[in-house]
Amino acid sequence: DIQMTQSPSTLSASVGDRVVITCRASQSIRSWLAWYQQKPGKAPKVLIYKASSLESGVPSRFSGSGSGTEFTLTISSLQPDDFATYYCQQYDDLWTFGQGTKVEIK
Amino acid sequence: VQLLESGGGLVQPGGSLRLSCAASGFTFSSYAMSWVRQAPGKGLEWVSAIVGGGGTTHYAASVKGRFTISRDNSKYTLYLQMDSLRAEDTALYSCARQSTWSSGWTDSWGQGTLVTVSS
Repeated sequence: DIQMTQSPSTLSASVGDRVVITCRASQSIRSWLAWYQQKPGKAPKVLIYKASSLESGVPSRFSGSGSGTEFTLTISSLQPDDFATYYCQQYDDLWTFGQGTKVEIK
Repeated sequence: VQLLESGGGLVQPGGSLRLSCAASGFTFSSYAMSWVRQAPGKGLEWVSAIVGGGGTTHYAASVKGRFTISRDNSKYTLYLQMDSLRAEDTALYSCARQSTWSSGWTDSWGQGTLVTVSS
């Protein structure tokens, strides 16, 4: 089974900050990685798929990069609506989620 | 795209439950479908998936041999039969659409149905 490890688990940041979340796979998943945002009591929402493709309607401050085993989600300038939990997901071999990164207000 | 789950509830350890997911707004048979769960205060866990035609199914190791996924494309409905339930199966179970007929990322989610396993 492919394991996904996100870091950090919690991140404290201020509005306007550049935020970077990392996701590492236990083996190569090529570019088959997606990023999701989840707010309390809500269903997750896809932000990025195929490692770097921005989902329609998602603000351009979100970007993804990486391939193989190392991936990053970058928020270029954190906005009040971005305080949430973020998950990566591999879909190269079945599906596995990372454990999540909670972005909190500093 | 709309996905509406039902069938959750309180069940004793060792018991069974059948979840349903009614889909609308897209051609159901063209997409793989999954069940994903989230224990209270915890992260997302993929549980099971089925390809668009229903001929291939996949399970997480934690539920293999106890859960059975199926679909009825004529009724636009996805199912999850859960047997031999354990306390650790307590979670919000959500129906999800994958982006392709056989795999892909998760592009749509339902709001979920809560399953509580407790005596």
